[in-house]
Amino acid sequence: QQQVKQSPQSLIVQKGGISIINCAYENTAFDYFPWYQQFPGKGPALLIAIRPDVSEKKEGRFTISFNKSAKQFSLHIMDSQPGDSATYFCAASEWAEETSGSRLTFGEGTQLTVNP
Amino acid sequence: KAGVTQTPRYLIKTRGQQVTLSCSPISGHRSVSWYQQTPGQGLQFLFEYFSETQRNKGNFPGRFSGRQFSNSRSEMNVSTLELGDSALYLCASSLAGGEGYFGPGTRLTVT
Repeated sequence: QQQVKQSPQSLIVQKGGISIINCAYENTAFDYFPWYQQFPGKGPALLIAIRPDVSEKKEGRFTISFNKSAKQFSLHIMDSQPGDSATYFCAASEWAEETSGSRLTFGEGTQLTVNP
Repeated sequence: KAGVTQTPRYLIKTRGQQVTLSCSPISGHRSVSWYQQTPGQGLQFLFEYFSETQRNKGNFPGRFSGRQFSNSRSEMNVSTLELGDSALYLCASSLAGGEGYFGPGTRLTVT
């Protein structure tokens, strides 16, 4: 079964600190790796995404680092703010030629708390 | 540009009943996917529709079904509801598949 393993399950960071969430995958056919942010009572919101042909992507305070050989990718949140407190999900998808479609496989989620 | 909308937002049903959930994708998006979110199982893929055709299906029983209309709006149906079907059902749209822009979800409670 295709799986994406995410850690840690929960994370507490002080305001201004760096939050780091890690994910590992098994299926080498995965070709798209997005991160989602979810607040209580809301649907997941696409935060940032990367494809395996690059090793890093930065958007504002959010950076994805990607290690293809290790089959791992991580989300770094710089200068973490209390408003960043949410659940973060990594995901991966594979474009299936036989169906011309894709599906997202999600990690288990990380509950991030940023203390003021 | 309006986001993904889902109706209803909350639903309470009794075991054995059936339910229909609706999703309107972002304008111009032709791919609609459905996911089930529970505390125990996390986010799990149900199925994906593109141009009114189901082109991907997750590992859920046949009680879960869906369809997509010519305007890309989608519905999912769950028949013979079980207590374990209580979950947040999320719809995601994209232009052609891949990235997903999620709606707020429908919270289904089965009693």
